[in-house]
Amino acid sequence: ILNVEQSPQSLHVQEGDSTNFTCSFPSSNFYALHWYRWETAKSPEALFVMTLNGDEKKKGRISATLNTKEGYSYLYIKGSQPEDSATYLCAFPYNQGGKLIFGQGTELSVKP
Amino acid sequence: DAGVIQSPRHEVTEMGQEVTLRCKPISGHNSLFWYRQTMMRGLELLIYFNNNVPIDDSGMPEDRFSAKMPNASFSTLKIQPSEPRDSAVYFCASSLMGQGTDTQYFGPGTRLTVL
Repeated sequence: ILNVEQSPQSLHVQEGDSTNFTCSFPSSNFYALHWYRWETAKSPEALFVMTLNGDEKKKGRISATLNTKEGYSYLYIKGSQPEDSATYLCAFPYNQGGKLIFGQGTELSVKP
Repeated sequence: DAGVIQSPRHEVTEMGQEVTLRCKPISGHNSLFWYRQTMMRGLELLIYFNNNVPIDDSGMPEDRFSAKMPNASFSTLKIQPSEPRDSAVYFCASSLMGQGTDTQYFGPGTRLTVL
């Protein structure tokens, strides 16, 4: 059974703080690693799909890195804003097909 | 561009009733996924289709759940009979080719409450 672990489970920061959280996944049979952002009462929205070891992706103040050999990815948010408050999910493909195994998410709360 | 469309957005029904959830994927996408979100299990895949064919239904909880995709632009998830433990948010998502590297685009979800 594939296990995708995210830590911490929740995070509370002040506006302007930079923060990061972790996604751990099986390092064997790697195909890709997905990051999604999920705001309360909305649907998950794709942030990044990462495929190469050492890959780094950036979208505004959010960036992610990937280490496929040791099986982890970091998501960084620089200068957090209240609108960054959401649950951040990572997902790992079960195989080369489309089935994604999602982690439980990191719930980020940014206080003004 | 229209994203993934789901209906209804909210459904309240009584135990034992049949419930049908509907999904229209993004035009041109070949893969469609049904997920369920619960507090206990998070976001779990129920079933997915490639080119209208069910590929993996190992996440379907039991025989009370069934899903169909009669054409490339429509899918249904049916629960018959419904039970209170089926209460959850059900998401439909679609992707271009159904590969592990493809982004999945989620619909707004259907919040199901079974009394």
